[in-house]
Amino acid sequence: GDSVTQMEGPVTLSEEAFLTINCTYTATGYPSLFWYVQYPGEGLQLLLKATKADDKGSNKGFEATYRKETTSFHLEKGSVQVSDSAVYFCALSDFGGNTPLVFGKGTRLSVIA
Amino acid sequence: GAVVSQHPSRVICKSGTSVKIECRSLDFQATTMFWYRQFPKQSLMLMATSNEGSKATYEQGVEKDKFLINHASLTLSTLTVTSAHPEDSSFYICSATGDGDQPQHFGDGTRLSIL
Repeated sequence: GDSVTQMEGPVTLSEEAFLTINCTYTATGYPSLFWYVQYPGEGLQLLLKATKADDKGSNKGFEATYRKETTSFHLEKGSVQVSDSAVYFCALSDFGGNTPLVFGKGTRLSVIA
Repeated sequence: GAVVSQHPSRVICKSGTSVKIECRSLDFQATTMFWYRQFPKQSLMLMATSNEGSKATYEQGVEKDKFLINHASLTLSTLTVTSAHPEDSSFYICSATGDGDQPQHFGDGTRLSIL
């Protein structure tokens, strides 16, 4: 079945450092790919998404590019802030919004001032 | 943006109690709702898919008599954990989506603790 593998955390960075959270996937078709963020005590929020190969999703300074050849969707941000501290989940969906998401295990990011 | 309200946010109760969790879409019609379960430091695992007016589809290994799901309207789905036991303690989170290729919108989750 489909699966998502993302790097283990926790990740601790200083403010303004560069962030990369690796995510690779296994899917039978051509899935849509997502990054969700979960701030402390809150639910999941969609951070960005990409629906086809070579698409780049971006939001709030975060970016991820859908790489079909490497089955990857790594999350990057050039300069993190303390407010970015959260758990980040990579996810895929095979057939669009009304099919369930397959999640990675999540990566906890802590940014220190 | 679309809002999904999940209630209650936290429940602590005794073993043997049944607990109902509500998931409401506040500003759109949710034709499909999903229920996930998240164990500590683990990913979200899909429990069941719920379509308005029809029976829920449960994932393998999820007991449908234990986790009763009702999706009686386009804005409300409920998950009832029947006769809960300590092993049912977990974080339960719902998501909702409308017709077509709409993104899923998540509730804030319910932390269930069974003593």
